[in-house]
Amino acid sequence: NAGVMQNPRHLVRRRGQEARLRCSPMKGHSHVYWYRQLPEEGLKFMVYLQKENIIDESGMPKERFSAEFPKEGPSILRIQQVVRGDSAAYFCASSPPTAQETQYFGPGTRLLVL
Amino acid sequence: SQKIEQNSEALNIQEGKTATLTCNYTNYSPAYLQWYRQDPGRGPVFLLLIRENEKEKRKERLKVTFDTTLKQSLFHITASQPADSATYLCALFSGGYNKLIFGAGTRLAVHP
Repeated sequence: NAGVMQNPRHLVRRRGQEARLRCSPMKGHSHVYWYRQLPEEGLKFMVYLQKENIIDESGMPKERFSAEFPKEGPSILRIQQVVRGDSAAYFCASSPPTAQETQYFGPGTRLLVL
Repeated sequence: SQKIEQNSEALNIQEGKTATLTCNYTNYSPAYLQWYRQDPGRGPVFLLLIRENEKEKRKERLKVTFDTTLKQSLFHITASQPADSATYLCALFSGGYNKLIFGAGTRLAVHP
């Protein structure tokens, strides 16, 4: 059973460009979470999604950031008009519907904004 | 305000000794507390979960305690090995929100 997959693993963007980060949850998992980790800091919750629904986006910046988890395909975290402060590691986690407290993390996407 | 605190300084210990890491929290009433391991350049890996009505949990060389009165969890690695060197993250799960609240982590270095 493959774990949580994220791609790309590394992404370099220039200021003002768009970044698209993808996450495929573990098989059978219908809950997806996105977290951001700045250097030397802990992970910070961004958004929690179920298929076709955003359940909690309290940790997501109000502008430029959006997330989706369509009926088919991976979850996407989209950052428009990136700025240097967006440089971070972005982790996706998934959990099964019956055990939401245990989240399994992907390897992360490291975004560098030049 | 809500806070989760872990030892900010790295913990250096000799191989074979027991490593003890601390997680303190304020203004939370977590239903669960979890410990994760994170290696450089990788995602966190789940280690142990302890519920609010449990005092202690063990898994092989790992032991976690949870004191809801002190608002503290201790994470122990017995007979530590250099391969245990990593950053260990404490995380709270507050039931209704379905999100994990992480501490900044403690870096553990086990020396041969």
